[in-house]
Amino acid sequence: DVKVTQSSRYLVKRTGEKVFLECVQDMDHENMFWYRQDPGLGLRLIYFSYDVKMKEKGDIPEGYSVSREKKERFSLILESASTNQTSMYLCATMGQGRFYGYTFGSGTRLTVV
Amino acid sequence: AQKVTQAQTEISVVEKEDVTLDCVYETRDTTYYLFWYKQPPSGELVFLIRRNSFDEQNEISGRYSWNFQKSTSSFNFTITASQVVDSAVYFCALSEGTGTYKYIFGTGTRLKVLA
Repeated sequence: DVKVTQSSRYLVKRTGEKVFLECVQDMDHENMFWYRQDPGLGLRLIYFSYDVKMKEKGDIPEGYSVSREKKERFSLILESASTNQTSMYLCATMGQGRFYGYTFGSGTRLTVV
Repeated sequence: AQKVTQAQTEISVVEKEDVTLDCVYETRDTTYYLFWYKQPPSGELVFLIRRNSFDEQNEISGRYSWNFQKSTSSFNFTITASQVVDSAVYFCALSEGTGTYKYIFGTGTRLKVLA
């Protein structure tokens, strides 16, 4: 089974801090995604990556950046955290082909105070 | 533009009742994929089913069944004889058939099954 591990389950950060959310997968999946989940809004795509050092903006990239230096790791960076970035962040991966869809990590619930 | 609508925000049923979760989608693509995911209280989204746009055959897996109708752009999910363990948030998602692997998610339906 593909395992997608997000480094923290819960995080509390202060406004203005630089925040790193890490996602590591143990299969050789090319595609990795960062979503945020908010009540009433569902999941919205922040950034995704098809390969090492490659990144594409999703639907709500403002205030975020990403890094993919190794195939198994995809990091989401909040350059200067703000209270409106309080949310559940979900990382997902998918191999070539679409048959099984995404595999998700267990999520990081970030609170910015 | 692609869109997924889950009009039911929250549903409560009593154990052993049948329940249907609605999903309506919009896309201009002729090739696309539809998915259902379950998010239990633990938070991790669990894959339930994938359907491609050329396969309208209904699917049954134990107490779960899915009804895909292109004519109404719907992909509804029915749980038969619901159980407390079915309590979760359920998401419907749409992916285009070519190009990116991005998914468009609905806003989710919270299902509460009461004992």
